[in-house]
Amino acid sequence: AQSVSQHNHHVILSEAASLELGCNYSYGGTVNLFWYVQYPGQHLQLLLKYFSGDPLVKGIKGFEAEFIKSKFSFNLRKPSVQWSDTAEYFCAVRSGNTGKLIFGQGTTLQVKP
Amino acid sequence: DAGVTQSPTHLIKTRGQQVTLRCSPKSGHDTVSWYQQALGQGPQFIFQYYEEEERQRGNFPDRFSGHQFPNYSSELNVNALLLGDSALYLCASSLETSGGPSTDTQYFGPGTRLTVL
Repeated sequence: AQSVSQHNHHVILSEAASLELGCNYSYGGTVNLFWYVQYPGQHLQLLLKYFSGDPLVKGIKGFEAEFIKSKFSFNLRKPSVQWSDTAEYFCAVRSGNTGKLIFGQGTTLQVKP
Repeated sequence: DAGVTQSPTHLIKTRGQQVTLRCSPKSGHDTVSWYQQALGQGPQFIFQYYEEEERQRGNFPDRFSGHQFPNYSSELNVNALLLGDSALYLCASSLETSGGPSTDTQYFGPGTRLTVL
């Protein structure tokens, strides 16, 4: 069965630290990849997405992610986090010609001021 | 530009009851997907509606059913509620493009928090 694994369940960083959240998926065919963010009290918002082309994609608020096909990974990065980045982050994968998103279980990021 | 809206915000039901949740898609969108998010977990796909028909379904029992109306809004119905149905129910909308469902981007609503006692 297809699955998405987010290795870090809870990450605590100080402001200005660099961030990398891991995401691996299990599917050998064509995939679309997404990172969504859920700020406290708010709904899921799209951070960035990869469909095809340049494997390094840039999203909102200075986030970027790199698709490495050989490693089945789509890690999220930000060079310098801010307190306002405190949120829950979800990696999601869509495989084949379907509308179904498969989500990881999420990573809670806490940024200390 | 109105985003995805869902109603009600919160709902409390007892075991065995039935519940209906509602979703209005983002303006211009024609496809609605429903997800269940249990506490501490990522959302799980229930089903997707397009052109008023269920196009794809996740691993949920028949107690979960849905409907899409001509104006693209959608309902999620859950019969014979169980304690385990307590969760946040998310609606996501998207616009079907010529490339099919694998080329669209889903935008999520705020969810309906269902508590089953």
